[in-house]
Amino acid sequence: GAGVSQTPSNKVTEKGKYVELRCDPISGHTALYWYRQSLGQGPEFLIYFQGTGAADDSGLPNDRFFAVRPEGSVSTLKIQRTERGDSAVYLCASSPLGGANVLTFGAGSRLTVL
Amino acid sequence: QKEVEQNSGPLSVPEGAIASLNCTYSDRGSQSFFWYRQYSGKSPELIMSIYSNGDKEDGRFTAQLNKASQYVSLLIRDSQPSDSATYLCAVNMSPSGSARQLTFGSGTQLTVLP
Repeated sequence: GAGVSQTPSNKVTEKGKYVELRCDPISGHTALYWYRQSLGQGPEFLIYFQGTGAADDSGLPNDRFFAVRPEGSVSTLKIQRTERGDSAVYLCASSPLGGANVLTFGAGSRLTVL
Repeated sequence: QKEVEQNSGPLSVPEGAIASLNCTYSDRGSQSFFWYRQYSGKSPELIMSIYSNGDKEDGRFTAQLNKASQYVSLLIRDSQPSDSATYLCAVNMSPSGSARQLTFGSGTQLTVLP
């Protein structure tokens, strides 16, 4: 596609529920990143995919968070047993060659946990 | 301890003035530095990258890097109201530049007054 597409743009859920956030990167971009941005803060790294594999998941805060990219294109970030502290904008970015140097971000998915 | 520090602002400048945005980072081995602009409610977009000590100019924007002082700055000349946004400093904290993630500062909110 022309840009990085993220769905849903907004998600409101209740504490304890399961949530999936989807990212469709720019066509041909092999590298895909998930970041989380809380109000008034910069984006915080969560996980990086090169192709289908998670090359670096050191930013995932705990085992309630998981992400997949089964065919090397679309990625899904999965959050189990959501907590109010998970409320944030979840940003997906992609880059063509796997370097962190040229990231194109999607518009983000705003998650609100009540 | 935050690894990339920025003044949160807000920074206000009159239209036509020079806006100066500053950033310091903790990892002396960092090699790649970036400025992203983020309009309210939107995703970050890359506006400047710099890799070597000194100045790099692109239109009204100049990035300045001083690795000895672990300091990077962004100057915006002839500031326009459309420059009003949050400016995020991002650092690739790998000596070889191979790190697959960027570390972002919290951002400086800039307002250009007409």
